[in-house]
Amino acid sequence: DAGVIQSPRHEVTEMGQEVTLRCKPISGHDYLFWYRQTMMRGLELLIYFNNNVPIDDSGMPEDRFSAKMPNASFSTLKIQPSEPRDSAVYFCASSTDVGTGGPDTQYFGPGTRLTVL
Amino acid sequence: GDSVTQMEGPVTLSEEAFLTINCTYTATGYPSLFWYVQYPGEGLQLLLKATKADDKGSNKGFEATYRKETTSFHLEKGSVQVSDSAVYFCALSRPYNTDKLIFGTGTRLQVFP
Repeated sequence: DAGVIQSPRHEVTEMGQEVTLRCKPISGHDYLFWYRQTMMRGLELLIYFNNNVPIDDSGMPEDRFSAKMPNASFSTLKIQPSEPRDSAVYFCASSTDVGTGGPDTQYFGPGTRLTVL
Repeated sequence: GDSVTQMEGPVTLSEEAFLTINCTYTATGYPSLFWYVQYPGEGLQLLLKATKADDKGSNKGFEATYRKETTSFHLEKGSVQVSDSAVYFCALSRPYNTDKLIFGTGTRLQVFP
């Protein structure tokens, strides 16, 4: 398996522009997580999906952020309009329920480094 | 609420030194406990895990034992290598809400030859 795939790996944009980050989870995984990592705040869970349905978006910082999962093999995280404080590394992770009532190990993608100028 | 506390970094060691990175947790019931590692420029990857008290997780020479009495899951390695330089995250998943992982702040390890 190719693992979790994220694109782009690096994104540089100007303040006010729309940014879309993409994620392809591991085939067969039914949980998908979006995280943000910064030096100041560490690793933050933004939102997660189970069977393509958003379960908890309490970590989404504000209305400028939105996430979708139109099918089991694709998810997007969109920031519109982007601001310099959104600069961070954004990770996608996927997992599956191994019969314990929830997901087991989370497998992380390589991340997208976003820089907003 | 449930939380994970890790020792502050960076931890700086010479090659072949003994490593301990402390991790303590607060949780209701019996969470599962994890150590993830993040190498430079990469995403996190699972290093080891333990799902019940007194379990020992191990991988690549690293070990951690689930200690319910001290609510701890300290990471140890007998002889570190330069290639172990990375950021290490302790995490837990709650017994009745296992969807999410709760991560510690991470501990950076630097190993010098």
